[in-house]
Amino acid sequence: EAGVAQSPRYKIIEKRQSVAFWCNPISGHATLYWYQQILGQGPKLLIQFQNNGVVDDSQLPKDRFSAERLKGVDSTLKIQPAKLEDSAVYLCASSSQGVGEQFFGPGTRLTVL
Amino acid sequence: SQQGEEDPQALSIQEGENATMNCSYKTSINNLQWYRQNSGRGLVHLILIRSNEREKHSGRLRVTLDTSKKSSSLLITASRAADTASYFCATHNNAGNMLTFGGGTRLMVKP
Repeated sequence: EAGVAQSPRYKIIEKRQSVAFWCNPISGHATLYWYQQILGQGPKLLIQFQNNGVVDDSQLPKDRFSAERLKGVDSTLKIQPAKLEDSAVYLCASSSQGVGEQFFGPGTRLTVL
Repeated sequence: SQQGEEDPQALSIQEGENATMNCSYKTSINNLQWYRQNSGRGLVHLILIRSNEREKHSGRLRVTLDTSKKSSSLLITASRAADTASYFCATHNNAGNMLTFGGGTRLMVKP
């Protein structure tokens, strides 16, 4: 079974630039999550989708972050414009049930200069 | 803010010893999960324990949950160098729609 795919794996940008991350969940998983993990901390949930609807985006900084999951499969997370404090690893995860085990992708390491 | 807090933040042991990590949380939960993260395999689910369960085993892992104290512990027996990683507890609230991670315990197992 293929795991969660993410791209790119690494991205370096300057502050005020825009960046987008892509995620392809495990086939058949209805729930998709985006997390932000700052160095030395645990992952923090940014947004959760159930199919193509948003379940929770309470911790998403909506003035600069946006996410979509068109057709209920792939998802894109965008940051526009980026700030220095956005430097982190962005993890995508999926699950077949909302309260069960989550499967994580390898993450995208973002560095904002 | 993070719901779960792990203790200790860092732990260093010799191969063959047991490692115990603790997690405390603040609000009522549906379940509590433990994850491992290392550079090689990313973040991987280890075990899930439901709020009505008190203890669970999986191979060399033993997890306990005390809902009255809002705490959990993860025991790794007969540790190996390959167990070197960061370990996170994560809680699902009763609404079941958000998994909240703690700050993690960094475990180093010396060969």
